[in-house]
Amino acid sequence: GAVVSQHPSRVICKSGTSVKIECRSLDFQATTMFWYRQFPKKSLMLMATSNEGSKATYEQGVEKDKFLINHASLTLSTLTVTSAHPEDSSFYICSASPGNGADTQYFGPGTRLTVL
Amino acid sequence: AQKVTQAQTEISVVEKEDVTLDCVYETRDTTYYLFWYKQPPSGELVFLIRRNSFDEQNEISGRYSWNFQKSTSSFNFTITASQVVDSAVYFCALSEATGGYNKLIFGAGTRLAVHP
Repeated sequence: GAVVSQHPSRVICKSGTSVKIECRSLDFQATTMFWYRQFPKKSLMLMATSNEGSKATYEQGVEKDKFLINHASLTLSTLTVTSAHPEDSSFYICSASPGNGADTQYFGPGTRLTVL
Repeated sequence: AQKVTQAQTEISVVEKEDVTLDCVYETRDTTYYLFWYKQPPSGELVFLIRRNSFDEQNEISGRYSWNFQKSTSSFNFTITASQVVDSAVYFCALSEATGGYNKLIFGAGTRLAVHP
């Protein structure tokens, strides 16, 4: 149980385009979903926390207009990187938690974004 | 100061050796949770264990064992008889009552290489 999927696993796009990444909890309902960014050989950096049906809470320094997050249902959250630039190239990972409080976060397989 | 410190950046061992990955945390909360995740080369974070601050019992799961010591604020992870498949980056993480346990604070990770 506790499987989280992400799509696509890899995406290459041109500078200036927008890219949407989907995160789905496959066998549980996720009250809360999280989006992380990971640079090569670095730890995970939390970008934002989203709760179903409400606006995402962004971490300091993360541009909310740049990284649009939608958590439309209890099993789906999307991250849209708008007007992507080469510096947005990174590994983006989502996680999902079954409930509030100290529930374990289960992670998706990640999406590698390359902006040319 | 870092809230979760994994002082070992990289560890290299030969198969069948035992290896311990250190994790030291810092928190003012009396209630908190500690986690270990494994990130193999594929990129997906795999949940290994969650421990709450009131449970100091050590845990063993197959070749994996965890030693939680509140007195030294440490939550160390030992792999017995290591195997090549154990090669991965291992992250220790903390979630605190402050902030509603909603955030995982990750350590920098320890890259473990197990050689045949």
